Amino acid sequence: GQNIDQPTEMTATEGAIVQINCTYQTSGFNGLFWYQQHAGEAPTFLSYNVLDGLEEKGRFSSFLSRSKGYSYLLLKELQMKDSASYLCAVSEGNKLVFGAGTILRVKS
Amino acid sequence: EPEVTQTPSHQVTQMGQEVILRCVPISNHLYFYWYRQILGQKVEFLVSFYNNEISEKSEIFDDQFSVERPDGSNFTLKIRSTKLEDSAMYFCASRPTVFEWFFGPGTRLTVL
Repeated sequence: GQNIDQPTEMTATEGAIVQINCTYQTSGFNGLFWYQQHAGEAPTFLSYNVLDGLEEKGRFSSFLSRSKGYSYLLLKELQMKDSASYLCAVSEGNKLVFGAGTILRVKS
Repeated sequence: EPEVTQTPSHQVTQMGQEVILRCVPISNHLYFYWYRQILGQKVEFLVSFYNNEISEKSEIFDDQFSVERPDGSNFTLKIRSTKLEDSAMYFCASRPTVFEWFFGPGTRLTVL
């Protein structure tokens, strides 16, 4: 089985930095993904970690510690359009298992 | 850039009716998936399909659900007798051999 936990909601200010944490317990692990999802739309891929450490991709970075079952997504220079749900997902076997998502509200 | 497509974008049906949701995965992908997301809830795995057969299914995917790849391009999800609780967004996804999932835009199913 699997258990993926992330905060339900976060609020941050435009131009700031925000870190969204994710902890997971899974019986098989092939990698950890972060997706962005706007209301009524499909999840869109942000980042992927399979090894420990930090992956940087523009304003977005993601970190993974496999021994701790922990990841975070870091968003820098927040923009209003970053207001969305951020989904942590674990690749387990051949399927992707999602957490409940963190609703991020960016205020001006 | 190739993308996964889904039709229809919105389907309204009466409880007890059959619905078929359609997906066209990316052409050279090997693994196909259906996920659903009830409003306000998380994205849930339904079923994975590989080499023309179901490779894994969740507890949600009971006898009312079936999947088919009737030709070389389409991938369908059938719900035989819809229930109110089947109302959700249904996302199709596909991936090549590497672990990179590509999601379609979704079909919003409303059961009245």
